[in-house]
Amino acid sequence: DSGVTQTPKHLITATGQRVTLRCSPRSGDLSVYWYQQSLDQGLQFLIHYYNGEERAKGNILERFSAQQFPDLHSELNLSSLELGDSALYFCASSVRVENTEAFFGQGTRLTVV
Amino acid sequence: AQTVTQSQPEMSVQEAETVTLSCTYDTSESDYYLFWYKQPPSRQMILVIRQEAYKQQNATENRFSVNFQKAAKSFSLKISDSQLGDAAMYFCAYRSVKGAQKLVFGQGTRLTINP
Repeated sequence: DSGVTQTPKHLITATGQRVTLRCSPRSGDLSVYWYQQSLDQGLQFLIHYYNGEERAKGNILERFSAQQFPDLHSELNLSSLELGDSALYFCASSVRVENTEAFFGQGTRLTVV
Repeated sequence: AQTVTQSQPEMSVQEAETVTLSCTYDTSESDYYLFWYKQPPSRQMILVIRQEAYKQQNATENRFSVNFQKAAKSFSLKISDSQLGDAAMYFCAYRSVKGAQKLVFGQGTRLTINP
């Protein structure tokens, strides 16, 4: 158990809908990263938050947004969902920005039908 | 931008044997980190081993070791005495020291252990 908790584990929704994925980092970790794992794109970095502030953006669509709350949990919001958004979404956390090691949650499997 | 390439989509090895997974990367940076992550059927991403680019000594963690060739931009993973529990997808990843603290992953290698 990495100590990073992601909910829900599985999510099935229809095209056009909006969903929210939640991540609770390890106790004391200030950095939260979101990654998307799909068959065609592999593992792609989406966004990084540190202590509530956005630090870096990757290949995140405009339909997607994220935030990190004062209690350090993070949410990834996906809207106007398309079939191609079906993927495994991972959250990872680390203590400091410069930490070498990030601990991953078990992921949320999103299926858009 | 940095890229990571794993040229072996699948590998198989007999239990108790040794297997080496290949990884090459491209970067213009001189200081960075390299990682191997394991993803078993449970989907959990598990850190296997980490290498700092400024260290010449190859990292070792029990049965797992790396061959880090900085000039060649090569970072292979050797698994000794393979066990059934080693069966998984293995991902090579790159992380800059400065700038965006993101991991750049290769496409992965699926490792099968034959009993």
